Amino acid sequence: GAVVSQHPSWVICKSGTSVKIECRSLDFQATTMFWYRQFPKQSLMLMATSNEGSKATYEQGVEKDKFLINHASLTLSTLTVTSAHPEDSSFYICSASTGYYEQYFGPGTRLTVT
Amino acid sequence: GQNIDQPTEMTATEGAIVQINCTYQTSGFNGLFWYQQHAGEAPTFLSYNVLDGLEEKGRFSSFLSRSKGYSYLLLKELQMKDSASYLCAVRNTGFQKLVFGTGTRLLVSP
Repeated sequence: GAVVSQHPSWVICKSGTSVKIECRSLDFQATTMFWYRQFPKQSLMLMATSNEGSKATYEQGVEKDKFLINHASLTLSTLTVTSAHPEDSSFYICSASTGYYEQYFGPGTRLTVT
Repeated sequence: GQNIDQPTEMTATEGAIVQINCTYQTSGFNGLFWYQQHAGEAPTFLSYNVLDGLEEKGRFSSFLSRSKGYSYLLLKELQMKDSASYLCAVRNTGFQKLVFGTGTRLLVSP
């Protein structure tokens, strides 16, 4: 149980285009989902916290107009990277929580912007 | 501010024991987590401590001292597959979000 999926697992896009990443909790309802970014050989950095049906809470320094987060249901959250640039190339990981102590992580999405 | 520190890299040999330390200074505390992450993969949960003391789970154990802002992950009988990054994360009071440490890359050699 407690499986989280992400789609796509990897994506290459051209600079200036937008990319949408989906995060789904497959066998449980997630009241809260989290989006992280991880650069090579670095730790996870929290980008934003999203609760179903409400606006996401962004961490300091994360541009909310560039990284659009939609948590439309208890099993789906999406992250859209708008007007992507090469510096946005990173490993994006989501996690989902039922409200108890543990977060369940998705397999991650590797984004490369050319 | 929040600060969670771990050694950047550690090396050990197969069959040995290794201890990975984590020190933290955070605004509130509501539990400490250890995750294992292989390159290019998502983190997997290893342990959770909220009270002082040692939690043992097979080859892995985790210790917490809240007064010292200190935790360690102990890995016994090391195997080659234990080569990975180990992430310490603290959950703040009243929030679900986790603040991750810098991560420790462990290399296990034959």
